Formats: sequence, structure tokens, C-alpha cells
Amino acid sequence: AQRVTQPEKLLSVFKGAPVELKCNYSYSGSPELFWYVQYSRQRLQLLLRHISRESIKGFTADLNKGETSFHLKKPFAQEEDSAMYYCALKETSGSRLTFGEGTQLTVNP
Amino acid sequence: DTGVSQDPRHKITKRGQNVTFRCDPISEHNRLYWYRQTLGQGPEFLTYFQNEAQLEKSRLLSDRFSAERPKGSFSTLEIQRTEQGDSAMYLCASSFTTGIEKLFFGSGTQLSVL
Repeated sequence: AQRVTQPEKLLSVFKGAPVELKCNYSYSGSPELFWYVQYSRQRLQLLLRHISRESIKGFTADLNKGETSFHLKKPFAQEEDSAMYYCALKETSGSRLTFGEGTQLTVNP
Repeated sequence: DTGVSQDPRHKITKRGQNVTFRCDPISEHNRLYWYRQTLGQGPEFLTYFQNEAQLEKSRLLSDRFSAERPKGSFSTLEIQRTEQGDSAMYLCASSFTTGIEKLFFGSGTQLSVL
């Protein structure tokens, strides 16, 4: 069965510092990977997806099939990036998302 | 359109009671999903609909849980004979299956079973 692991429940950085939120997955096929974010008192929302190879709010994520990872990176963290981040995997043939446990990012001033 | 709407926002019930939650998706969205989230965990898939057809159910969904989407618009999730372990945030999401699917989540219904 597919599994998504986010090894850090909490991550704290200072404003302007680089940030990397780790995500590892196990899945035998070719997955679609996503990052979802939940800001304080807001709904869970899509941040970015690997297939689009996009940069959203300065965040990027590269799918590394050899290491089965999809880490989220931003070179200069901002206070408004403080939120809960979830990595999610979608199977090739399915529609359900399998989420990791989430990483709470705090960017300190 | 204010996005995906869920009702109620909070529900407190006693063990053994039945509860029903409602989800109104974004109007043009043909897919509707139910997820459950407990404290410290990510959302867990429960079931999803494409239009009115329920296409997939998780093994997590015991026979006490039933979901419907009778006209392919709003959906209801009913839990019969609630147990304390059912206490969780129940999230609804909708999407439109064109191009790369993007889920839009509701604010959720927080269920507390006493």
C-alpha cells in the first residue's frame, strides 16, 4: 500500500532563512505528488503539484523517483509562510489522495 | 460562489446516536470526496463520488458509515451508532475532472462523541 512520510512534525526557521520540508513516499507505480497547505483558520488548499513543475509563493518541489522523495523548498522563508504543510500522493489509476501527517512550519521574525 | 460548504461546523453527540453531515460542493464540480482527520494526522480518504455514483470507498468506512449524493450535487455522510473513536474532523472536497485535478476543501465538520 502507498504511504507518505513527513519526518518532521515541527519545523522552525528564521525569516529570510532557507526552508526545506521533507516528504518521502512508498508506492510501486508512478505517483502524482502534491503539497497542500493550511494557514491558521483557513481551509486546506493546494500549494503545488509535481506534474506542473511550478513555483508557487516562492516554493518549489522536485520529484526524485530514485530517492522516492518530494521535498518542498523555499530559499528565503517569510513569516506568512507559517502554516501546516501536507504532502500527498495520488496513485496512477486512482482518485484518492494519501496524505502525510503534516509538518507545522513556523517562521520567526 | 463561496467554495465548498459544510454543515454543521461542530457536532457534539452521545455515543450510540446517529449523526448526519452535509456538504455542498462548488456548483460545477462533478467529483466530491469525504476525508476524515484526527488530531496530529493528515486527512484520510473515506469515499468519493463522480456525479451521483459512489466510485470508491475506503476500508476505513465501516458499515456504520454511509454516504450519498442523490442528484450529483450536495452530499450527506451519516454515521450510525456513533463511537468515541468516530470523533474527528470530517472534511469534504470537490473537484472538476478536467486537466489536472485540483481539490477544493471545505472547512470541515468537527464531531465530538461523548
